[in-house]
Amino acid sequence: RKEVEQDPGPFNVPEGATVAFNCTYSNSASQSFFWYRQDCRKEPKLLMSVYSSGNEDGRFTAQLNRASQYISLLIRDSKLSDSATYLCAVTLYSGGYQKVTFGTGTKLQVIP
Amino acid sequence: GAGVSQSPSNKVTEKGKDVELRCDPISGHTALYWYRQRLGQGLEFLIYFQGNSAPDKSGLPSDRFSAERTGESVSTLTIQRTQQEDSAVYLCASSFPGTSVYEQYFGPGTRLTVT
Repeated sequence: RKEVEQDPGPFNVPEGATVAFNCTYSNSASQSFFWYRQDCRKEPKLLMSVYSSGNEDGRFTAQLNRASQYISLLIRDSKLSDSATYLCAVTLYSGGYQKVTFGTGTKLQVIP
Repeated sequence: GAGVSQSPSNKVTEKGKDVELRCDPISGHTALYWYRQRLGQGLEFLIYFQGNSAPDKSGLPSDRFSAERTGESVSTLTIQRTQQEDSAVYLCASSFPGTSVYEQYFGPGTRLTVT
């Protein structure tokens, strides 16, 4: 089993729709969780951290489910500009430092 | 303030040549990471620096790859005797591991093409 897994998609959704992605992780000792956004031929940019209590930033909501070992990202009222690949990242304290593992990403295409 | 910078932005080299890729992290960020991303693929971890030391080199794919960091700042990734399979975007990221939250900030990458 991969350390961090994501459905590669693509998720094709119409403008205004709500879409959700999950990211599962294999090690229950994982400590910090993040969502990154990567546009085509660009570097990943941090979208939001994922806190235990869940957090919201405008149309974006991130949640952590430790019992089932996954994080989720919900995007409401999708915009064309939301089209991108969404990467999750998970950290685990190992060998004296926080090792960061990225998922391979979920591609979102918002359609007019 | 200034973000992570990388140079060159693009590099085309002939098979068998050596290349050096440079990363300037955000000032004060003690942690530095190198990743490789092949076209249409995810991020492949290469090496991690904490300060000037590299506690995790487990991702370096072969002994043709090496990296160093000096002054707890700039890092260079060197690929010797490049092969066509080395063609990819090489991304550098930095973070400040001063809290329990390890957010990484990425540079724009170096697109390496080996012909």
